[in-house]
Amino acid sequence: ETGVTQTPRHLVMGMTNKKSLKCEQHLGHNAMYWYKQSAKKPLELMFVYNFKEQTENNSVPSRFSPECPNSSHLFLHLHTLQPEDSALYLCASSQAQFSSYNSPLHFGNGTRLTVT
Amino acid sequence: KNEVEQSPQNLTAQEGEFITINCSYSVGISALHWLQQHPGGGIVSLFMLSSGKKKHGRLIATINIQEKHSSLHITASHPRDSAVYICAVKETSGSRLTFGEGTQLTVNP
Repeated sequence: ETGVTQTPRHLVMGMTNKKSLKCEQHLGHNAMYWYKQSAKKPLELMFVYNFKEQTENNSVPSRFSPECPNSSHLFLHLHTLQPEDSALYLCASSQAQFSSYNSPLHFGNGTRLTVT
Repeated sequence: KNEVEQSPQNLTAQEGEFITINCSYSVGISALHWLQQHPGGGIVSLFMLSSGKKKHGRLIATINIQEKHSSLHITASHPRDSAVYICAVKETSGSRLTFGEGTQLTVNP
């Protein structure tokens, strides 16, 4: 148990579907992150929320829409995805963003997304 | 060329062997992280260091700031150590982590 829970673990969706990924942490952290991990590539930062405010959007296409209703929950809404969006999507949290990279990140187990 | 380079990309060892994974980076950093990713996908933070050496159980991480290099050592390796080990750095001038591509370690019984 990592303290960061992601659901679902696996998701298969068509290009016209709309789905959402969910992340929840009970570590008392104030920063939450979405990362994308494609095969044979380093982790790519997608979005950062610090105290519920989006502080970073790493030029992510609009077919990915994040939502952070509170410091414990983070969503990634997906619509009209492309097959190349198939990847492992990882959520992480840390105490607060600006100290985060000098303090550990806590990752969830990820959602394995396949777009058909 | 990635700013964070790991070597080797793949490593196979026999149980009990001493293992070293290397990480080199090309930018000034304020911290370096070593992460472990198991086949299921979840990532665990092993170490965060900015100087010297840290030890946790059979794992040892070292960093040489002048040479821009870090190593992760595993003593008395075990099949359960099989995982992808990822190095990530926090640049002094930026706000993000830059990740290496990872080293796939397989420890055979």
